[in-house]
Amino acid sequence: NAGVTQTPKFQVLKTGQSMTLQCAQDMNHEYMSWYRQDPGMGLRLIHYSVGAGITDQGEVPNGYNVSRSTTEDFPLRLLSAAPSQTSVYFCASSPTGSDEKLFFGSGTQLSVL
Amino acid sequence: GENVEQHPSTLSVQEGDSAVIKCTYSDSASNYFPWYKQELGKRPQLIIDIRSNVGEKKDQRIAVTLNKTAKHFSLHITETQPEDSAVYFCAARDSGTYKYIFGTGTRLKVLA
Repeated sequence: NAGVTQTPKFQVLKTGQSMTLQCAQDMNHEYMSWYRQDPGMGLRLIHYSVGAGITDQGEVPNGYNVSRSTTEDFPLRLLSAAPSQTSVYFCASSPTGSDEKLFFGSGTQLSVL
Repeated sequence: GENVEQHPSTLSVQEGDSAVIKCTYSDSASNYFPWYKQELGKRPQLIIDIRSNVGEKKDQRIAVTLNKTAKHFSLHITETQPEDSAVYFCAARDSGTYKYIFGTGTRLKVLA
C-alpha cells in the first residue's frame, strides 16, 4: 500500500491563480480530510468527507473547495489564491469504524506571492 | 463545534527527565484521542492513542491518561532522550462526524 499520496510537494502561485492539490489513498478509507499548518496554529481542518459524494466544512473552509467523487480521491481547490493561503497542507484519511487511526500524506508546501 | 486546547506551547527538559503535555476538549461526543509527533519537515506520525472507555494506556516510555469527566487528557514521556525533541499534537475525534480537531502543538526540546 502507498498509503496517502499528495501532489505536488511544492508549489508557488501568484495571487489570483487557481490550482488543485491532489490527494489519493489506497486503504479504502471512508474518511478523508485536508488540514493547513501554520506556525503556532497547529493543524486546522479545512474540509472533510466521510464518503463519496459527502463533504463538509471544517474550521477554516473559506477560499477552498473540495469534492469526493470516488473513495480514493479528495482534491482541494484554491479558486483564487491569496497570500494568506501560504501554508503547508496535509491530507489525511482514516476508517470510520473502530480502527480510527488517522494517516497523513507527506504534505504540500504552498507559497502565494 | 469541538475545541481542543493544548499546553504548554514549548517545553524544555533535561535528558532523562519526564515531560508532560496536557490537552482539554470541549465536546463530550469525542471518543478517540490520538497523539502525534512531528519532526521538522515531516508529516505527523501517530505515537499513542486512547479511546474514551479507557483511562490510561502505556507503550514503553510514553503513556496517555484520560479524564472524561474533566474532559482532559495528557501525554507523559519518561526518561526523555534527544530524539524525543519534536512538536507533539493532541487531537480529539468526534464520534458522530468522525472529524479530528487538533491542538496547537507543543515544541519539546530535550537538552543533552
